[in-house]
Amino acid sequence: DAGVIQSPRHEVTEMGQEVTLRCKPISGHNSLFWYRQTMMRGLELLIYFNNNVPIDDSGMPEDRFSAKMPNASFSTLKIQPSEPRDSAVYFCASSYRETQYFGPGTRLLVL
Amino acid sequence: GQQLNQSPQSMFIQEGEDVSMNCTSSSIFNTWLWYKQDPGEGPVLLIALYKAGELTSNGRLTAQFGITRKDSFLNISASIPSDVGIYFCAGDQETSGSRLTFGEGTQLTVNP
Repeated sequence: DAGVIQSPRHEVTEMGQEVTLRCKPISGHNSLFWYRQTMMRGLELLIYFNNNVPIDDSGMPEDRFSAKMPNASFSTLKIQPSEPRDSAVYFCASSYRETQYFGPGTRLLVL
Repeated sequence: GQQLNQSPQSMFIQEGEDVSMNCTSSSIFNTWLWYKQDPGEGPVLLIALYKAGELTSNGRLTAQFGITRKDSFLNISASIPSDVGIYFCAGDQETSGSRLTFGEGTQLTVNP
């Protein structure tokens, strides 16, 4: 079975540009999570969806970040405008019940 | 928010040695999960624990859900070089899997 799919795997962009990260959860999973990982702060939950509805976005750093889940098989995390401090690895994870399965991540570098 | 205290932060061991790491919290968790992260990859689930006192094995890995619900440990027996990576514990205070709290990770280095 395919796991969580994320694209792109790597993204290098310049400050001020819009960045869109994509995620396809595991089929049948009803919850989707976006995380950010940095050396300084570890794994941080940004937002999660349950049945395509955003439940908790308290981890979203600021208004420059937005996430959508238009259907059960696709979600996006958008940063506009991007800043150097947004450089990190962004993970998407999905779950059916208690256990979350992570994608391979998108390594973002904002110059 | 709730925090998990994971220790040790790093370990340097010789191939063949056993490894033990643990997570503790002041709060009760209903689920404990252990993940391993290889460089450049996402965390991969190793073991999931759902009941207090539960002891579960996955090959050379053994994990236990503490009886108080406030701690968990992971043991790796007869370590091999491919065990190298960062090991994370994670706890869920609900049963819906809605929000995991992660430990800070244990960086494991295995010398051949």
